[in-house]
Amino acid sequence: SQKIEQNSEALNIQEGKTATLTCNYTNYSPAYLQWYRQDPGRGPVFLLLIRENEKEKRKERLKVTFDTTLKQSLFHITASQPADSATYLCALPLGGYNKLIFGAGTRLAVHP
Amino acid sequence: DTAVSQTPKYLVTQMGNDKSIKCEQNLGHDTMYWYKQDSKKFLKIMFSYNNKELIINETVPNRFSPKSPDKAHLNLHINSLELGDSAVYFCASSQAETGADTQYFGPGTRLTVL
Repeated sequence: SQKIEQNSEALNIQEGKTATLTCNYTNYSPAYLQWYRQDPGRGPVFLLLIRENEKEKRKERLKVTFDTTLKQSLFHITASQPADSATYLCALPLGGYNKLIFGAGTRLAVHP
Repeated sequence: DTAVSQTPKYLVTQMGNDKSIKCEQNLGHDTMYWYKQDSKKFLKIMFSYNNKELIINETVPNRFSPKSPDKAHLNLHINSLELGDSAVYFCASSQAETGADTQYFGPGTRLTVL
């Protein structure tokens, strides 16, 4: 069955550094992949979508890569700030009806 | 102006009770969803409606019954609540039912069953 794995439960980095989060998947060939941010006590918020024919997507300080051979997406936050501290979820579509399967998320803590 | 709203935000109830959670979206979207996020933070889809029609129905106990009176509302009714139903329930919406479409989530309803 399809599996989505996100790296480690928590990632601690220093302010100003680049945070890199990983999303691996198996038994699956998704047409696209999405990244969401979730703050404590709130619902997920969409950040970026990358399609299978796109190698890289950028939005301000965010960058996502999608390697369909490695079955992996990397999510980068450059010049990280304490306000970037949150849980980041990757999500892949399964089936035809916009049904998203979410990873467990990686909690990012950016320290001043 | 809230895009996807849910009520109540917190719900504490006894085992065996019946409860409902309401969801409304003012984005003009055609598709709405219910997700469950358990204590391990896994977010799992339960149901999806497109224009008041059920299109996704995951393996969920039939004690859970979604109802969509119109495309802006999707309510979740739960009968005979059990301890294992304790979780955070999120409503979401998207413009379309297929394709690479962003989902907009509500703030969540934390359900605690005692």
